[in-house]
Amino acid sequence: SQELEQSPQSLIVQEGKNLTINCTSSKTLYGLYWYKQKYGEGLIFLMMLQKGGEEKSHEKITAKLDEKKQQSSLHITASQPSHAGIYLCGADSSGGYQKVTFGTGTKLQVIP
Amino acid sequence: KAGVTQTPRYLIKTRGQQVTLSCSPISGHRSVSWYQQTPGQGLQFLFEYFSETQRNKGNFPGRFSGRQFSNSRSEMNVSTLELGDSALYLCASSAGLNTGELFFGEGSRLTVL
Repeated sequence: SQELEQSPQSLIVQEGKNLTINCTSSKTLYGLYWYKQKYGEGLIFLMMLQKGGEEKSHEKITAKLDEKKQQSSLHITASQPSHAGIYLCGADSSGGYQKVTFGTGTKLQVIP
Repeated sequence: KAGVTQTPRYLIKTRGQQVTLSCSPISGHRSVSWYQQTPGQGLQFLFEYFSETQRNKGNFPGRFSGRQFSNSRSEMNVSTLELGDSALYLCASSAGLNTGELFFGEGSRLTVL
């Protein structure tokens, strides 16, 4: 079964600093999703990457997919307290039937 | 457009009891998935229903079951509760067309004493 390992597990950054979260898959990635979760709440979809080399941005968050390395990275520029939360990567492990395997999660704290 | 609604939000049960959780998906969405989230195991897939049929099932014991109704609303049931079943149970809906975007509810937090 597919496993997704995220690093780091937790991160504390000063407001305004940039940061990167990585997600590495044990199997070939055909599609990779990024979600954000505030503690104890549901997940919010950030973006989906489907092709190797694809890069997408949403506000100050940019994600890239490296198919060869079976890895994706999420980069936040000029972090703000509103970016705090748990970031989870996910991959469709059922060939299209909405069965998503999620990564271990990265907890981000942004200090004002 | 109303989001995904899960009820109840919080509940406390004792070992051996059973529990039923409910999920109302976004209007028009035919796929409903259930996930269990715990500090130790993270977010784990339970099962997914599409048009009243279970399409996928995760690696959970038979005590965990679910169903979907003709209006796409879904319920999941856990029988003979164990302490380890304490978790946040999340429901997600989608159009079911593998767009990748799942819309999650706020979750039902179950505590088993």
